[in-house]
Amino acid sequence: AQSVTQPDIHITVSEGASLELRCNYSYGATPYLFWYVQSPGQGLQLLLKYFSGDTLVQGIKGFEAEFKRSQSSFNLRKPSVHWSDAAEYFCAVFTGGGNKLTFGTGTQLKVEL
Amino acid sequence: DGGITQSPKYLFRKEGQNVTLSCEQNLNHDAMYWYRQDPGQGLRLIYYSQIVNDFQKGDIAEGYSVSREKKESFPLTVTSAQKNPTAFYLCASSTKDRGGNSPLHFGNGTRLTVT
Repeated sequence: AQSVTQPDIHITVSEGASLELRCNYSYGATPYLFWYVQSPGQGLQLLLKYFSGDTLVQGIKGFEAEFKRSQSSFNLRKPSVHWSDAAEYFCAVFTGGGNKLTFGTGTQLKVEL
Repeated sequence: DGGITQSPKYLFRKEGQNVTLSCEQNLNHDAMYWYRQDPGQGLRLIYYSQIVNDFQKGDIAEGYSVSREKKESFPLTVTSAQKNPTAFYLCASSTKDRGGNSPLHFGNGTRLTVT
């Protein structure tokens, strides 16, 4: 069965520091992968997506993610975190049939000033 | 601006009562979805609909019902049969793309509390 694992429940970084959020997936075919961000009490906003081609994808708000097939990973990165990046981040994989997505359990990011 | 509207933002009900959550979109999207979010569990799919008058069960459909009489609307009813209904409910929509090349657009959610 398809699944997505985000091993870090909480991460705290200092403002200006670099960030990497981990995501591992389990899927038999070439995956379509997504990262979403959720501010408290809000819906989710798409940060970036990977379908094919270049394994390093750029997204909004200065985020990027790298697809590594050999490691079944799709980690999210940002060179310099801003206090406004504090939110919950979800990795998701398209699991076929009706455009359904399977989401990870999320990583809560806290930014220290 | 186009978007998805969920109402109300907060909803309180007594145990044993059915409750309906509203979801309206003006993005002209064919597909709509309902997700449930609980702390530490991510998002789980309840129901989805790819076209008017048709919908399919997701991973946790028990205790829920939906209808899709209009393209713009996809209301979710939480019935008294749902054993643990207190949660944050998110509605989403997308264009009808079976290849997965269609990101979900989310509403701002409804927080349901049942006591």
